[in-house]
Amino acid sequence: KNEVEQSPQNLTAQEGEFITINCSYSVGISALHWLQQHPGGGIVSLFMLSSGKKKHGRLIATINIQEKHSSLHITASHPRDSAVYICAVTGTSGSRLTFGEGTQLTVNP
Amino acid sequence: GAGVSQTPSNKVTEKGKYVELRCDPISGHTALYWYRQSLGQGPEFLIYFQGTGAADDSGLPNDRFFAVRPEGSVSTLKIQRTERGDSAVYLCASSLNPDTDTQYFGPGTRLTVL
Repeated sequence: KNEVEQSPQNLTAQEGEFITINCSYSVGISALHWLQQHPGGGIVSLFMLSSGKKKHGRLIATINIQEKHSSLHITASHPRDSAVYICAVTGTSGSRLTFGEGTQLTVNP
Repeated sequence: GAGVSQTPSNKVTEKGKYVELRCDPISGHTALYWYRQSLGQGPEFLIYFQGTGAADDSGLPNDRFFAVRPEGSVSTLKIQRTERGDSAVYLCASSLNPDTDTQYFGPGTRLTVL
């Protein structure tokens, strides 16, 4: 079992839909990260959070430390949101990231 | 430059050859990380530098892999006697404060071992 698990692996939505991607982890963490990766492109950090909720534009990230679970929400999705979304955690013993396998999101017009 | 840069962007080599991959972190970032991403998978940690020293090299798969950061800025990942299984995208990231700051990723080097 991976230390960081994401669901779903693939997600297809219609433009305008509300999207949720889930992440569960099994280790102690100091922070959780949501990252975005476009095809052939680099990785961009969306959020780094250790508690509660953060919002940036149409993106919202929440974390429940007790349940070891985080969600990434996209409101009013757009085709340009199509990308791989990756959940990663920073453990308590160091700053290296442990990654989930990613969620491939496709938003159709 | 404004971001993390990596060179080359693509590298094709033959099995058994030696390769070097370079990472230029954001100026002033003391922490530097190397990750490897195979097709369809999330990245995997290789090594982390704090300044010039390797603070955590537990992700290096075997002794064919080695990385240096002699002046605390640019880092080079070196792979000896390359194997086909080494084919992947090698990602570099840097951060200002490894405990509190996000990591900024470079575009990666796609390594193909024929």
